[in-house]
Order: sequence, then C-alpha cells, then structure tokens
Amino acid sequence: GDSVTQTEGLVTLTEGLPVMLNCTYQTIYSNPFLFWYVQHLNESPRLLLKSFTDNKRTEHQGFHATLHKSSSSFHLQKSSAQLSDSALYYCALSDRYGSSGNKLIFGIGTLLSVKP
Amino acid sequence: DPKIIQKPKYLVAVTGSEKILICEQYLGHNAMYWYRQSAKKPLEFMFSYSYQKLMDNQTASSRFQPQSSKKNHLDLQITALKPDDSATYFCASSQDTNSDYTFGSGTRLLVI
Repeated sequence: GDSVTQTEGLVTLTEGLPVMLNCTYQTIYSNPFLFWYVQHLNESPRLLLKSFTDNKRTEHQGFHATLHKSSSSFHLQKSSAQLSDSALYYCALSDRYGSSGNKLIFGIGTLLSVKP
Repeated sequence: DPKIIQKPKYLVAVTGSEKILICEQYLGHNAMYWYRQSAKKPLEFMFSYSYQKLMDNQTASSRFQPQSSKKNHLDLQITALKPDDSATYFCASSQDTNSDYTFGSGTRLLVI
C-alpha cells in the first residue's frame, strides 16, 4: 500500500546549522501530492509546504523541498535552523485529484530540536 | 478566534463507556475529516465527509461513528471505549476535497 518514510526519532541541531529532514514515499498514485506539516508542542498540525510538480522547488517560511519522483523523495531543508523551528515535522502523501481523494497518509514524524 | 472548534479539549473515560467528540468549523468548508494521533504512531486517517456525506472510512471498528447534523459539524461517537482508544483526535476541514486542510486543536482522550 501507500506509505511515507521519514527520518525517525529526534534530530538535534545547533542554531544556525542547516536542517535536512528526509522523506521518501511509496505509492500507486500516478500524480501524488506531497506535503510537509509542522506541529509545535500542544498545537495542531499546520501545513508548511506542498508540491505535486516533479523537480520543482517549493519554499515557505525559509523551508524548501523539491519533489523528485525518480527517487520518490520530498526532503525538507532549511539553510539555517532557528530555535523556533523546534517542532514535530510530518511528511504526508495524498492522491488529491485521483480516486483516493484528499485522504492524507502521514509518516511517523521527525522531532526537530534546535539548541542555542 | 479558532476557526475549528473541538470539544472537549481533554476527556477521561472509563473502559466500556461511550463518548462523543465535537467538531464545528466556521470556515465555510464543505469537506471534513477525522484523524487519530496515538503515541508513537503517525497521524492516522479515520473518516472523510463531503457535503455531509461519507466519502471514505478507514476505521476498521464500527465503534467509531461520525455524525454530521449540520454542514459545519462532524462529531465522532465512540462506543465501548477501550484503553487502546486513548489518543488525540483531530478534526480537520477543507474547502472541498481538492483543497488544503485546516486542523482543529484536537481532543485528548484517555481511557482508563
């Protein structure tokens, strides 16, 4: 079935260092949508980035990701981590315009902790 | 002001009891969803509704029953509660079934 695999567990970084959170996926969808959601402590998940265009970089709030269908990847990157980036990051997949509709399939989540 | 209201925020229930989780959205959206977030598990899709009609159900157990009394409501009734049902339940909505979600703040359910 369809699935999303992320860097598991906790990623700890020092403020100012680059961020890279891995996300790969498996799907039968011919045109998958890929998403990154961010969830801060005691808050609800919030959409950070999305893409369905192959090899096109998408950016928001300093984060960027590029969907590579050849490698089924959608890694999240940021050039310089900030303390406020500490949160749980989910990669997710959907078949938005296909028969499976707008259901989101989430990865396990990666907890990013940024230290001073 | 919160655009999606989930009530209650916290809920403690006894094994075997029944509870209803409330979700109301004030975004004018036509599609609504329920997701569950259990410890050490990814956010898990449960149901989707569009114009008050069930579109997709990925919940194996009939103990979970969504109820849509109004277009902007999608409540979740859970019967015969089990400790394994302990989780945070998120309601979400989207303009239509091709649009981005907005998540509510969740209901944290603990079954003892």
